[in-house]
Amino acid sequence: QTVVTQEPSFSVSPGGTVTLTCGLSSGSVSTGHYPSWYQQTPGQAPRTLIYNTNTRSSGVPDRFSGSILGNKAVLTITGAQADDESDYYCVLYMGSGIWVFGGGTKLTVL
Amino acid sequence: QLQLQESGPGLVKPSETLSLTCTVSGGSINSGSSYWGWIRQPPGKGLEWIGSIHYSGSTYYNPSLKSRVTISVDASKNQFSLKLSSVTAAHTAVYYCARQDLSTVTIDYWGQGTLVTVSS
Repeated sequence: QTVVTQEPSFSVSPGGTVTLTCGLSSGSVSTGHYPSWYQQTPGQAPRTLIYNTNTRSSGVPDRFSGSILGNKAVLTITGAQADDESDYYCVLYMGSGIWVFGGGTKLTVL
Repeated sequence: QLQLQESGPGLVKPSETLSLTCTVSGGSINSGSSYWGWIRQPPGKGLEWIGSIHYSGSTYYNPSLKSRVTISVDASKNQFSLKLSSVTAAHTAVYYCARQDLSTVTIDYWGQGTLVTVSS
């Protein structure tokens, strides 16, 4: 079974830059997986940040960016702010209508 | 603006079938580029894709849940539904319905989510 891997937790200082990764237990993530990223705060539905590897969803600040680095998809937050403290999930499209979520990364800004 | 709203019982007994409906407003479920999906999140845990349906009736399921899951669509009511059979306490979760846009390959609209507790 395909497992999408993410760091369980990460910490960043206000104003700092953080890179969250999204990998595969077997193989490499590519643009063909159409990686997307979602932000979720407690009690809320997820919000779409990035889709198709690097396209920001409407209204998402440009401090959020996505890319492929090596064999993983990455979400980079530049100039982290206090309200960026959230859970972040990546999703990969595996083809044949199958989507797989990563386990999520809990980002702390302190 | 597309809106999705989940509805259904908040409490289901073990071994019974969990049934939820998602009502789509502000747009048509008969959109060729849209899949309509279900995603769940157990308390304190991560998100898990359950499955999706196209208005044509084509369905796609998470292989780990496939034997228990049925997703159906009622285009006349602009609704789609989830049935999860033989539930256990492990199926207690917030269930979200969502639109998966095939043209951008993203989940772009989410319902607010509904908590379903499995308990006797």
